[in-house]
Amino acid sequence: EDQVTQSPEALRLQEGESSSLNCSYTVSGLRGLFWYRQDPGKGPEFLFTLYSAGEEKEKERLKATLTKKESFLHITAPKPEDSATYLCAVGSTGAQKLVFGQGTRLTINP
Amino acid sequence: DTEVTQTPKHLVMGMTNKKSLKCEQHMGHRAMYWYKQKAKKPPELMFVYSYEKLSINESVPSRFSPECPNSSLLNLHLHALQPEDSALYLCASSQDSGTKTQYFGPGTRLLVL
Repeated sequence: EDQVTQSPEALRLQEGESSSLNCSYTVSGLRGLFWYRQDPGKGPEFLFTLYSAGEEKEKERLKATLTKKESFLHITAPKPEDSATYLCAVGSTGAQKLVFGQGTRLTINP
Repeated sequence: DTEVTQTPKHLVMGMTNKKSLKCEQHMGHRAMYWYKQKAKKPPELMFVYSYEKLSINESVPSRFSPECPNSSLLNLHLHALQPEDSALYLCASSQDSGTKTQYFGPGTRLLVL
């Protein structure tokens, strides 16, 4: 059974303090790993799709990386507007749906 | 453009009411999804439509009835809901079903009294 575990559950940082969020996964065959950002009461906003180990993608202060067992979302010099819940999801070979992690609630204090 | 729209944004209904949620996308996607999300939990899949046919029903109670009138539209008809059905209802679409990138709408916040 496909599984996704995100850590930490919650993270509080000072503005400018860089850190990383972790998404560990177990799948039969990875077809894609997805990162989303979700603000309270709103729909998830797509950030990145990663397909194979070694792949990296960047967008502004965010950088996502992928290994065969986990993905990291690196946040460099974060700002208060980066505060949100970050969701990780995986799609596997033969699966009809994505499996989501529980999310990491990130708070950036000014 | 990767926009999925949902109406209404907010909905309050009694347990005897009938209402509908609507979702629309114009990205040419052939798969559309309904999710339910409770506070501090990830989205929970309810239904998947692929090429306008229902392909997945995650054992959702019959008081929720999905409909896909065409490839751009997705409805969720609600009838005789329970207070525990109060949640954020999300629509998503993807190029086709399975494991392609899904794009979510803003959601409908539903409160059942």
